[in-house]
This record gives sequence, structure tokens and C-alpha cells, in this order.
Amino acid sequence: AQSVTQPDIHITVSEGASLELRCNYSYGATPYLFWYVQSPGQGLQLLLKYFSGDTLVQGIKGFEAEFKRSQSSFNLRKPSVHWSDAAEYFCAVGAREDYKLSFGAGTTVTVRA
Amino acid sequence: GAVVSQHPSWVICKSGTSVKIECRSLDFQATTMFWYRQFPKQSLMLMATSNEGSKATYEQGVEKDKFLINHASLTLSTLTVTSAHPEDSSFYICTTKQGNTEAFFGQGTRLTVV
Repeated sequence: AQSVTQPDIHITVSEGASLELRCNYSYGATPYLFWYVQSPGQGLQLLLKYFSGDTLVQGIKGFEAEFKRSQSSFNLRKPSVHWSDAAEYFCAVGAREDYKLSFGAGTTVTVRA
Repeated sequence: GAVVSQHPSWVICKSGTSVKIECRSLDFQATTMFWYRQFPKQSLMLMATSNEGSKATYEQGVEKDKFLINHASLTLSTLTVTSAHPEDSSFYICTTKQGNTEAFFGQGTRLTVV
């Protein structure tokens, strides 16, 4: 069974600074990998996904993530955060055979002025 | 892109009553839909897999008699929380896949049982 670990529960970053959120996964083969963002009281929005090919994936809102098979990681980055980036971020891994998603515990991002 | 509509977006019900949540795929046929639950300050946990025309598959620890899932058509899956109790208060969200490469989320339903 697949699993996801997001080591950081809460990150505070200054507006304009760079952001990196860590994600490590456990899966027997090459997984589907996703990053989602959830604003308070809202549903989930897909930021980006990796299925195959180029290991550096570009997403919406200026986010990117890099799949590193050797480290079983799929870290999310943004060069310069905006106050509107304050939210909960979830990394997820999907099994290729049935597409069930396993989510990490989430990382709360706070942006200070 | 594909759109999944979930209704209602929030509901408050009395303890002991039942609540039905609908998940519709608006512009494609979804043979499979997934139902997740998110407790406050926690991550999403898969509850069940809903398959059109057949019984749902429930994850370990999820009571199938309490969380009734019906997937009667290719565009609609429903989750009914029967005899709801305050501990069922949660955020419920459905997803559906298009082919094998995309997952689309509904807006979610926040259930509060009082």
C-alpha cells in the first residue's frame, strides 16, 4: 500500500520569500503524484501532478515540484510567495492500478507581511 | 476541463437523522467515484470506491451500513450518512477520474450534526 509523509506540519514564510514543502512517498513502483491546496472551508484545488516524463513539473500559481525517484520525494516549491498562498497543502500519491489517492497529513503555510 | 459538482456544500442536521450528499460529473461519464472524509485539522481519508451499477467497495473501518453509497448512473453517486451522530461531523468530498490520468474533486460538503 502506498503512503505519504509531509514532515512539516506548519511553515511560516515572509511574503516574497521562497517556499519549499517536503513530501516523501512510499510506493512499490512509479506512482502518480499530486499536490493540492485547500483554503479554509474550501475544497481542494489541484496545483500540479506527475505521471511520467520530465521530473520537474510546472503547476498553477507559480508552483513547481520535482520528482526524485532516488529520494522518493516530490517537493513543492515557489520562488516568491504571495499572501494569498496562505493555505493548507496536501501531497498525494495515487496507485496506477486503481487510482485511489493517499494523502499526507498536510502542511499549513502562513505568510507574514 | 471536467467538472464535478457536489451538493450540498454544507448541511446541519439533528442527531439520528440521515443526510444525502450528491456527487455529479457534469461533462463526462464516471464509472468510478471515490468518497473521502476529512476531519478537522486532519488529512483526507478514503472511505469507499463507488462503481456504477455495482456495490461500493469500502475501506477498512468504514461502516457500510452507516455510509450508504449508490452509483445508479454514470454521472451521479450519492453518499447517505444514516442515523448521523456528532462524531460524523466532517468534511466529505468526492472525486472522480477521467481515464487513468486525472482526478477531479467536488467542492466538498461540510456536515455538522447537532
